[in-house]
Amino acid sequence: KAGVTQTPRYLIKTRGQQVTLSCSPISGHRSVSWYQQTPGQGLQFLFEYFSETQRNKGNFPGRFSGRQFSNSRSEMNVSTLELGDSALYLCASRGTTNEKLFFGSGTQLSVL
Amino acid sequence: SQKIEQNSEALNIQEGKTATLTCNYTNYSPAYLQWYRQDPGRGPVFLLLIRENEKEKRKERLKVTFDTTLKQSLFHITASQPADSATYLCALRSNTDKLIFGTGTRLQVFP
Repeated sequence: KAGVTQTPRYLIKTRGQQVTLSCSPISGHRSVSWYQQTPGQGLQFLFEYFSETQRNKGNFPGRFSGRQFSNSRSEMNVSTLELGDSALYLCASRGTTNEKLFFGSGTQLSVL
Repeated sequence: SQKIEQNSEALNIQEGKTATLTCNYTNYSPAYLQWYRQDPGRGPVFLLLIRENEKEKRKERLKVTFDTTLKQSLFHITASQPADSATYLCALRSNTDKLIFGTGTRLQVFP
């Protein structure tokens, strides 16, 4: 069974640009969560999607958005990038009857 | 406010010793608590889940305890090896159903 796949692995953008990150969950998993990880703040919850619906949202500005498709693949978008958005963005999926998360390797975003 | 606290200082121990990591939480009433391992540049990997009615859980050289009165979980690695060097994160589900992580403790095992 393939794991959680995130693309791209690395990304360099400049301030003001927008970025879209992609996540393919483990086959059969309908829940996808996104986290931002920085050295100072640790893992911060962004949002969780289940069957194309946003179930939960963290305390991030509206520049951070996401969506989930009918095949459970998910994307997150950050508009008007700021230097502070530089981080490792992690996606995780889980099965319906399982509480444990399976994480991808993340997308390392650098904003210059 | 709700908080999950892990020792932010690195834990350095010698190979063969037992490593003990602490996770304290406030203003949560979690039904369970999870532990993950994270290596540099990689996503966290699930290790163990312990429920509120379980005092202790073991998996090979790993042992987790959960004290809902103290609001604390302890994570032990016995007979530690250099390959155990990583950051260990605890996580629990918040009152608003988000899975929230502590900031993690970096463990370094020296030969």
